[in-house]
Parts: sequence; structure tokens; C-alpha cells
Amino acid sequence: AQSVTQLDSQVPVFEEAPVELRCNYSSSVSVYLFWYVQYPNQGLQLLLKYLSGSTLVKGINGFEAEFNKSQTSFHLRKPSVHISDTAEYFCAVRTSGTYKYIFGTGTRLKVLA
Amino acid sequence: NAGVTQTPKFRILKIGQSMTLQCTQDMNHNYMYWYRQDPGMGLKLIYYSVGAGITDKGEVPNGYNVSRSTTEDFPLRLELAAPSQTSVYFCASSYGSDNEKLFFGSGTQLSVL
Repeated sequence: AQSVTQLDSQVPVFEEAPVELRCNYSSSVSVYLFWYVQYPNQGLQLLLKYLSGSTLVKGINGFEAEFNKSQTSFHLRKPSVHISDTAEYFCAVRTSGTYKYIFGTGTRLKVLA
Repeated sequence: NAGVTQTPKFRILKIGQSMTLQCTQDMNHNYMYWYRQDPGMGLKLIYYSVGAGITDKGEVPNGYNVSRSTTEDFPLRLELAAPSQTSVYFCASSYGSDNEKLFFGSGTQLSVL
């Protein structure tokens, strides 16, 4: 069965500093990978997705992620964060052949002035 | 275009009561999902549906029931509410196929006392 691990529950970072949010997945078959963002008191919004092709994917708001099959990882990065990036970020996986999206436990990114 | 609409936004139930959380989407999406979100636990899939008349269990289906009589609607039923069902519930939908994006509703905050 597929699963997603987000090791960091909280990540504080100063404004304009780079950030990396880690995501590892477990699946024995091909996967599709996603990052979603949740702002306070809102639903989730898609940041970016990896379906196939280039392992480096770019999303909205300057975020990017790299799919690493050998390390079963899909880490999210941003070179320079803003206060407005403060939110909770969720990694999700869907296994090829199913339509079940499984989410990680989330990482709270807090950007400090 | 309303997207995914959930009602109610807030509800307090007594132990043993029953209720239905409503979810409707106007995007003609085939796939619909119910998640619950608990602090530090991320989103857990309760049930999902790949089309009208077809539903399947997710990660945490116990204590819940669903039906999908139309493409638009995917209600979630709690028959005998328990304190463990206190959570924020999100409905989501997706067109499926190559359009790999979940559209989320704004959530229902449920307290069982």
C-alpha cells in the first residue's frame, strides 16, 4: 500500500531565506506525486504535480520540487520565501491504476520577519 | 462556477446523533472524495467514488457511509456520532484521467460532545 512521510512537522525560516520541505513515499508501483498548500481556514490548493517526464517540476508562487525515484523522495523547495508563504504544506501520492490520493501529515511553514 | 460546495460549515452533535454532510460539485467531475483532517495527522481518506453508483472505502471508513446517486452529489453520513469523529471534513473532486488536480471544498468543522 502507498504511504507518504513528511518528517518535518514544523519548519521556521526567515523571510528571503531558502526552504526545503521533505517528502518521502512508499509504493511498489509507479506513482504520481503532488504538493498542496493550505492557508488558514481554507481548503487545499494544488502547488505542483509530477506525473511523468522531467523530474524537476515547477509550480505556482515560485515553488519547485524534484522527483527522485531511487530515494523515493519528492522534496519541495523555494529559493526565497515570503511572509505570505506561511501555511501548511501537504505531500500526496496516487498509485498508478488507482484513484486514491494519500496525503502526508503536513508541514507547517512559518516565515519569520 | 461554484466548484465544490460543502454544507454545513459548522456543526455540533451529541454522542449518538446522526447527520449527513453534504457535498456537491458543478464541474461534472467523475471522482469525488471525503477526507478528515485532524491536527498533526494530515488528511485521511474516508471514502471515494469514481462515478455515480460506485463507491469504495479509503483509509478510515469505520463509522461513516456514503452514496453517489448523481455525478454532482456525494453525501457523507455519520450514523452514531462519537467523540472520535470530531474533525474537519473536506470534500474534493477531480475530473480524473490526465487532469490530476483535486478541487477542495471549504470544509465542515464537526464537534461531537
